[in-house]
Amino acid sequence: DARVTQTPRHKVTEMGQEVTMRCQPILGHNTVFWYRQTMMQGLELLAYFRNRAPLDDSGMPKDRFSAEMPDATLATLKIQPSEPRDSAVYFCASGTGEKLFFGSGTQLSVL
Amino acid sequence: QQQVKQSPQSLIVQKGGISIINCAYENTAFDYFPWYQQFPGKGPALLIAIRPDVSEKKEGRFTISFNKSAKQFSLHIMDSQPGDSATYFCAASRLQAGKMYSGGGADGLTFGKGTHLIIQP
Repeated sequence: DARVTQTPRHKVTEMGQEVTMRCQPILGHNTVFWYRQTMMQGLELLAYFRNRAPLDDSGMPKDRFSAEMPDATLATLKIQPSEPRDSAVYFCASGTGEKLFFGSGTQLSVL
Repeated sequence: QQQVKQSPQSLIVQKGGISIINCAYENTAFDYFPWYQQFPGKGPALLIAIRPDVSEKKEGRFTISFNKSAKQFSLHIMDSQPGDSATYFCAASRLQAGKMYSGGGADGLTFGKGTHLIIQP
């Protein structure tokens, strides 16, 4: 079965460190989304790309977060420097037609 | 500003009962309303979706009811089973030129905060 692959599944880091999360979208999907999930805020849209071009990143803290899609098989979300409030599950999703497929997420803990 | 409000936050239903989760939206530009199901340790997965040109959509035991004038929609799970125990999210989005090209809509999905559903055996 085709699926969205995210790495790493878990990441524990110390405040101030750089964190990079990676996503391999489903082959042929032209749109990739990054979401963050917390108990308090639920699922928040951070950024998304269509045909590798960034369309909207207004949900991201600009000073520390960056999202890129260097090629059709890889999307990255980077946090530098990380802060404890960034602790959350980060989901990548890719879509086509009426379906959006989510990866299993990266659970990030910033100490 | 929370554009999609979901209730209840948690719900316990006996096996065989009907589970009902409600959502209300504010943005009248929304024209695509999916429900996602999430199990622990997994990402959300599309369960069922509706467009505002119909008032109800049914797929197996799952039904979406939609009230455009009230800007509300709900998920009904008939004959609820322990395997239905999960977190359910409603969402809303805009179509692009009347079509859903990417699953996430024109601007990405706006999610409700989720309902933790437990089906007791």
